[in-house]
Amino acid sequence: DTEVTQTPKHLVMGMTNKKSLKCEQHMGHRAMYWYKQKAKKPPELMFVYSYEKLSINESVPSRFSPECPNSSLLNLHLHALQPEDSALYLCASSQTSGRYNEQFFGPGTRLTVL
Amino acid sequence: DAKTTQPTSMDCAEGRAANLPCNHSTISGNEYVYWYRQIHSQGPQYIIHGLKNNETNEMASLIITEDRKSSTLILPHATLRDTAVYYCIVRVGNYDKVIFGPGTSLSVIP
Repeated sequence: DTEVTQTPKHLVMGMTNKKSLKCEQHMGHRAMYWYKQKAKKPPELMFVYSYEKLSINESVPSRFSPECPNSSLLNLHLHALQPEDSALYLCASSQTSGRYNEQFFGPGTRLTVL
Repeated sequence: DAKTTQPTSMDCAEGRAANLPCNHSTISGNEYVYWYRQIHSQGPQYIIHGLKNNETNEMASLIITEDRKSSTLILPHATLRDTAVYYCIVRVGNYDKVIFGPGTSLSVIP
């Protein structure tokens, strides 16, 4: 299995809702990543987990809360989002964190905040 | 942090080689050059990476200049399915970080 899966594919939520994005990989990778991508812009790194510990938080607002329950699973909990948070949220994984390892990306969750 | 510059857009005729340039003049000696592409509405896809030698795989070839200040990704026989945004990336000092630049939008034309 060489896939990163993300659910849901699409999500529409109000500003007062709480929702979660899910990412899963079964490649034995020990590093997992969340990116945010606005329309016609490159992906921007949000968080990095290495061996299930948060290693990088790119000054992301606290309304985004990542969680890595085990080495195969990565969640992004969303609460009190703003309309400008509407974007494609991409998950990626790599064998380990390191400059030699390519990242495998999932198809993304397209989030719309009303 | 090494930064990259790429043309905003390029066209290539179907069946011809697509040569995508990237400048990374501030690259450090131990930083790798990576190429990814993103087809519309999909997640980015890894293509190839290299340090200083030229590299080839089933998808593409990567040519890195001797001074490592620039590189070229070559798709030898472009097809319509190669239409995508191509990102040249240099892994920064904290090597967990991957910073995508604006990329080159490649259009393969029939």
